[in-house]
Amino acid sequence: SQTIHQWPATLVQPVGSPLSLECTVEGTSNPNLYWYRQAAGRGLQLLFYSVGIGQISSEVPQNLSASRPQDRQFILSSKKLLLSDSGFYLCAWESHSNQPQHFGDGTRLSIL
Amino acid sequence: GENVEQHPSTLSVQEGDSAVIKCTYSDSASNYFPWYKQELGKRPQLIIDIRSNVGEKKDQRIAVTLNKTAKHFSLHITETQPEDSAVYFCAASRGTGGYNKLIFGAGTRLAVHP
Repeated sequence: SQTIHQWPATLVQPVGSPLSLECTVEGTSNPNLYWYRQAAGRGLQLLFYSVGIGQISSEVPQNLSASRPQDRQFILSSKKLLLSDSGFYLCAWESHSNQPQHFGDGTRLSIL
Repeated sequence: GENVEQHPSTLSVQEGDSAVIKCTYSDSASNYFPWYKQELGKRPQLIIDIRSNVGEKKDQRIAVTLNKTAKHFSLHITETQPEDSAVYFCAASRGTGGYNKLIFGAGTRLAVHP
């Protein structure tokens, strides 16, 4: 069966530091991959999506970037974190647009 | 841009009562409508979804209805139990181009009291 892994689970970073969050999917090939951010007590905002290796689409202009170096690996990065980057970051995958999206356990990021 | 509005933001019911959460979407080309349940500190989990070619779907105590003309869809939970307490999110997407850009509602916090 398919599984999705995200790490780390929690992260505390100072303002101005870099960021790298990783997401990997097992048990499927060529999945669609997504990064969402959820602010405290709020809904989910789509940040990036990818339909294949090296193919990244950005939804919201911001301080973050994404990369997909391998078929089942999706990375969220920043060169310099801002206070406003705090939140709960969720990776999601789907095998095809006709299939539902499933979320990883998320990374809770706090910026100090 | 696309928008999904969700009501109510909070909902409190007694155990055994029914709960209804409503969502309205703006993009008439939307054709896929999932509902997610999120417990505190956990990931959202899909509980039910519906596509635009059907008007209603049911799974035990949970049902979703879709009105394409009015561009709204609703989640119905019957015989609520305390473990149904969570935040529920609706979402909508076009599902074109081989991917789903889900636009989420702001969420409904459901509290089921014993």
